[in-house]
Amino acid sequence: NFMLTQPHSVSESPGKTVTISCTGSSGSIASYYVQWYQQRPGSAPTPVIYEDNQRPSGVPDRFSGSIDSSSNSASLTISGLRTEDEADYYCQSYDSTKRVFGGGTKLTVL
Amino acid sequence: QVQLQESGPGLVKPSQTLSLTCTVSGGSISSGDYYWSWIRQHPGKGLEWIGYIDYSGSTYYNPSLKSRVSISVDTSKNQFSLQLSYVTAADTAVYYCARDLGATGVPWFDPWGQGTLVTVSS
Repeated sequence: NFMLTQPHSVSESPGKTVTISCTGSSGSIASYYVQWYQQRPGSAPTPVIYEDNQRPSGVPDRFSGSIDSSSNSASLTISGLRTEDEADYYCQSYDSTKRVFGGGTKLTVL
Repeated sequence: QVQLQESGPGLVKPSQTLSLTCTVSGGSISSGDYYWSWIRQHPGKGLEWIGYIDYSGSTYYNPSLKSRVSISVDTSKNQFSLQLSYVTAADTAVYYCARDLGATGVPWFDPWGQGTLVTVSS
C-alpha cells in the first residue's frame, strides 16, 4: 500500500530557508511525479509545485522542489521565508490504483 | 479561468447517502482534457482522494471507498456529483471537488473548489 510520510511540523524564521520532506513507503519515489500543495487556514489547497520541480503560473521562485532517489524522498524548499508562507503543506503522488497524499506538514514562520 | 463550486446538504444522518454536486464554470467538462475528482479532508487531518470521472462517465475510485462511492457527470449542466452511501461519523469531513490533470499527463489537482463541510450526525 503506497504511502507518503511527512514531518508533522517545521518552523523557521522569516528570511531563512526551510525544507519539507516527503518519503515514499515503497518502490521508487522517482517512478512517479510528486506535487506539493499549500493550504492556508480555512482555505482550499493550492498547488505550488507539480511534476517534481515545476512551478504553476504565479508561484514565486522562492518555492522549489526536488527528488532524492537515495533516500526515496521528495523535498519542498522555501527560501526567503515570509509570514504569509505559514500554512500546511501536502505532497501528492500516485500509483497504479490511486492518487495519494502525504499527511501534511505545518510550517510555522516565527 | 476555471472555477469549481461544491453544493449540497451540510448534515446527513448515519446510514444515509451523502450527495454533493460540483458546478464547473469558465470551462467545459465536455472538452475531454481533464478528469474531475473528489477529495475530502477530515477535521484537522490530511487529504484523501475519493475518485474521479471523465466527460464520458468513466470513473475510477479509491479502493478504500470503492464499495460505497459513486461519481456521475451531467455535461448539459457542466456538473459532476458524488454519492457516498451508508455514511457514519467517520465520513464527517470537508469535501472538495477539483480538476484532475491526469487525463493527459501527470495526475495533479488545479483548481480546487472552496470545499463544503458535511457532518454525519443524527
